[in-house]
This record gives sequence, structure tokens and C-alpha cells, in this order.
Amino acid sequence: SSEVTQPVSVSVALGQTASITCGGDTIGTKRVHWYQQRPGQAPVLVIYRDDKRPSGIPERFSGSSSGNTATLTISRAQPGDEADYHCQVWVSTTEVVFGGGTKLTVL
Amino acid sequence: QITLKESGPTQLKPTQTLTLTCTFSGFSLTPGGGGVGWVRQPPEKALEWLGVIYWDEDKRYSPSFRSRLTITKDTSKNQVVLSVTDMDTVDTATYYCVHVDVGTFDSWGQGMLVSVSS
Repeated sequence: SSEVTQPVSVSVALGQTASITCGGDTIGTKRVHWYQQRPGQAPVLVIYRDDKRPSGIPERFSGSSSGNTATLTISRAQPGDEADYHCQVWVSTTEVVFGGGTKLTVL
Repeated sequence: QITLKESGPTQLKPTQTLTLTCTFSGFSLTPGGGGVGWVRQPPEKALEWLGVIYWDEDKRYSPSFRSRLTITKDTSKNQVVLSVTDMDTVDTATYYCVHVDVGTFDSWGQGMLVSVSS
């Protein structure tokens, strides 16, 4: 089956910008969705269809996609942004793939 | 506001069948209501998609689980049921039900940890 890859971990200084990537052969032709999962909690949708933000998600969260890589960008990182971030793609009409997840640490 | 909640057994023995119920509110499995899916997460591991059922009984299953998986719905009760046969220790995971809308999992249940051991 198709795979999407994420870095295992990303660190960012407080108030700076973090970028988390999601790569794979299918990325360029598919819509990518991003989920935030705080410790002990269920995931929450933070970006859908590459760059759309659900209501209630801060403008500090943005998404983009180019070539075979999608990127989640978190501006002005805060301690509350520390979480695991997962990308998700429908690689076909019958198969969903999640990335391995990226642990974001705010220093 | 959409809410979903999983219910069912928290402990199983190998070879048993897991049956989980997702009870939801804030939407209906009727035209335009999207679908209800299942995602699981083994301890300290990545999310894994299991399958989804839509309002019109259309079902999509992960190729990795298709032979063991059944998803059904009871529209009148606002419930969706997941059945997984032949459970093994590697199936120990937190199981989430999710609302599916235009390909996104826009609302998640709180999750239910299911442990499989002899």
C-alpha cells in the first residue's frame, strides 16, 4: 500500500515557527488533512484539504502542499501546541493512510 | 455540535470477536450527513484507518483488515457497530469512531482502549 512519511520529531523555540512535513508519491495528487493529538486525548482536525482551517482553529495554524510534500506550519509556537501531529490522505476511494506522526516539542 | 462515543468490552482473549458500538449525536446518517468511520491507535504507535460506512450503506474497508472487519449501522438509534473477528494481542489499541465529511475526520470520539491478552 502507499505510504506517507513524517519526521519523528520537530522542536521549535517558544514564539518561533514550526514546520512539519508529510511526504509521499501520492501527496501531489491528493488532499492532505492534519490532526493534532495532545497527550491522552483524541485527535483534533486542524487543517483540511491542504490549507483549510476548521472554525475554532487559530490562524497560527496553516497548511500548504507542493510537489510530493505537504507542510503544516505553526506560527508563534506556544506551550499548548506541544502534541503529536498526524497527516492523513485518501490514497484511493477505498484506502486511507496516516503518516507515522510527528512529536512537536516547544522549547 | 457533533459528539461520538464508543462503548464495548475493554478486555478480550485471543481469537475472540470485538464488537464496539459508536453512539453519536449532532448529525444523522441520512443524505448529506456524511459517514461514520473507525480508526485505531496501538499504544505509542501511529493511527490506523479501519473503515467507514456512509448513509447509503456504502462501506469502505482498509485492505489490511477487510477479511476481519464488518461495519453496520442503525440509523434509527444513531449507532454504528464495528466487528473485528479473530482478535490477537497485536490488536490491542485505542479504538476511535469518527464523523467523516468530504474525506476528513472532523469529529472524534474520546476513544476506547481495548486490550487483548490470554
